[in-house]
Amino acid sequence: KNQVEQSPQSLIILEGKNCTLQCNYTVSPFSNLRWYKQDTGRGPVSLTIMTFSENTKSNGRYTATLDADTKQSSLHITASQLSDSASYICVVSPITGGFKTIFGAGTRLFVKA
Amino acid sequence: SQTIHQWPATLVQPVGSPLSLECTVEGTSNPNLYWYRQAAGRGLQLLFYSVGIGQISSEVPQNLSASRPQDRQFILSSKKLLLSDSGFYLCAWSGGQLSTGELFFGEGSRLTVL
Repeated sequence: KNQVEQSPQSLIILEGKNCTLQCNYTVSPFSNLRWYKQDTGRGPVSLTIMTFSENTKSNGRYTATLDADTKQSSLHITASQLSDSASYICVVSPITGGFKTIFGAGTRLFVKA
Repeated sequence: SQTIHQWPATLVQPVGSPLSLECTVEGTSNPNLYWYRQAAGRGLQLLFYSVGIGQISSEVPQNLSASRPQDRQFILSSKKLLLSDSGFYLCAWSGGQLSTGELFFGEGSRLTVL
């Protein structure tokens, strides 16, 4: 069964600190892996997208990595800001079709001053 | 540029009442359209998707239905709401190849059934 597991479930960090969120997936073969940021009560917004052949992708202070051998991805946030407080969702699309896209439950990040 | 609008943002309805959530996309033609439901602590669950006018596919059996009366309009409905229909509903669109198309989400609709 295709699954996407994220850890930790929630995380509290101080403003200015770095953090790393994890995503393990069993979807195979897959077309692409994306990280989305979702503010409370809002729709998710895409941060990064990687195909199976890519190892890393950056978007400002956000850097995603992908290890297709171990089926793991991580999202690293550098110099966190209060506005980074949100849920971060790992999303994997299988090669069989975008309609079968699988969403992780997300990591809830709280950045405190 | 493309935009997606979804409304209403918040809805409180009694059990047994009807439901209509509407979603429209602007700035693109023939988009793939989706309705998702997001439960607390759970990943997004795909409810319906559509590749064209009048073409609706359902991923899970449920008390809801969807319609696509126009190319860029997607409607989620129910004739009689259940308590279990409460949740956060998200409309999304994608273009291009179905397996690689990035999903663009609306702002979401919070439904509370009492």
